[in-house]
Amino acid sequence: KAGVTQTPRYLIKTRGQQVTLSCSPISGHRSVSWYQQTPGQGLQFLFEYFSETQRNKGNFPGRFSGRQFSNSRSEMNVSTLELGDSALYLCASSLYPGTSEKLFFGSGTQLSVL
Amino acid sequence: EDQVTQSPEALRLQEGESSSLNCSYTVSGLRGLFWYRQDPGKGPEFLFTLYSAGEEKEKERLKATLTKKESFLHITAPKPEDSATYLCAVQIISNFGNEKLTFGTGTRLTIIP
Repeated sequence: KAGVTQTPRYLIKTRGQQVTLSCSPISGHRSVSWYQQTPGQGLQFLFEYFSETQRNKGNFPGRFSGRQFSNSRSEMNVSTLELGDSALYLCASSLYPGTSEKLFFGSGTQLSVL
Repeated sequence: EDQVTQSPEALRLQEGESSSLNCSYTVSGLRGLFWYRQDPGKGPEFLFTLYSAGEEKEKERLKATLTKKESFLHITAPKPEDSATYLCAVQIISNFGNEKLTFGTGTRLTIIP
């Protein structure tokens, strides 16, 4: 069974640009969550989607947005990139929403903003 | 404010030298506490979930325990392949009224052969 797939693996952008990251969950999983990981802050929750609806959101500015498609694949978008957005962006999937179910993480997209 | 603190930040042990990692938390309404392992270049991998004080879970050389204010991850006779960053996360209720995970910054464990 294939794991969670995130693309691209690495990305370099400049300030002011926008970026779209993609996540394909484990087959059959309908819930997708996104996290930002930085050395100083650790993993921080961005948002969670289930059945194409955002059901939960973390404390990030509106520049961070996401969506989920009918096949459960998800994308997140960051507009007007800032240097501080440099981080590893992780996607996680689970069968059902809420975190009582264990999460399966992808390997992440490493975003560098120059 | 909800907080999760892990200590130490880094730990180097000789192979076979047992030790414990700590995760202390200050949250309102803990629903569950999770332990994950993260290898370099990879996403976190689920290890354990603990729900109530006094609960213990074991897997190979790892044992997780939970009290009302902290959790410990005990590593018995570790091997080099146990080297990784160990993350603790607590499940709380978000402003949306849904559950969310708040992670600590992790303990980077290195086992020296």
